Amino acid sequence: DAKTTQPPSMDCAEGRAANLPCNHSTISGNEYVYWYRQIHSQGPQYIIHGLKNNETNEMASLIITEDRKSSTLILPHATLRDTAVYYCIVRDSGSARQLTFGSGTQLTVLP
Amino acid sequence: NAGVTQTPKFQVLKTGQSMTLQCAQDMNHEYMSWYRQDPGMGLRLIHYSVGAGITDQGEVPNGYNVSRSTTEDFPLRLLSAAPSQTSVYFCASRLTLVTDTQYFGPGTRLTVL
Repeated sequence: DAKTTQPPSMDCAEGRAANLPCNHSTISGNEYVYWYRQIHSQGPQYIIHGLKNNETNEMASLIITEDRKSSTLILPHATLRDTAVYYCIVRDSGSARQLTFGSGTQLTVLP
Repeated sequence: NAGVTQTPKFQVLKTGQSMTLQCAQDMNHEYMSWYRQDPGMGLRLIHYSVGAGITDQGEVPNGYNVSRSTTEDFPLRLLSAAPSQTSVYFCASRLTLVTDTQYFGPGTRLTVL
């Protein structure tokens, strides 16, 4: 699986959009980008995933660059409950390989 | 659905003791797995199972055993606890090995003295 690079921490004001970047310059053509988050002391929670088109669901939007070497997770109106560690993971969809969690980005939403 | 449940939430062991961490899911998921998470680090895969009667090793299997006698349950056994096994343990499941969305349990915080 391609390696991902994320900033260790970010702050965001409550009510504003939180934009979390992820670099995956070695991503291959059949690898998807997944985002999970982990709120303190809880199990990780799936957020969204995509291949090359931008994706949106009730939790977030995922913007993938045209060359697919980086992506951005957008939480459109961050709340205090969005404070968590956010993990960007690259993996073959349908692959037998496991999810590999790195260190992620600690997002702190400030009141 | 209760989703993925884990017991106990907290456990303290002495070095050399054995114990079993319980994990159950009620979503009829084929695939289940165990991760450990050490302070400030990401999750590391211990063991996983693609169905009843089938298990395999992950990244850090030493010191742990698993079995999968039913679809619902996937217990993790510590054979002889060591301080290096102090960690938070998460159980996870997904519908099949190749399904995208993985569901995690609330975790078991284990301290080995």
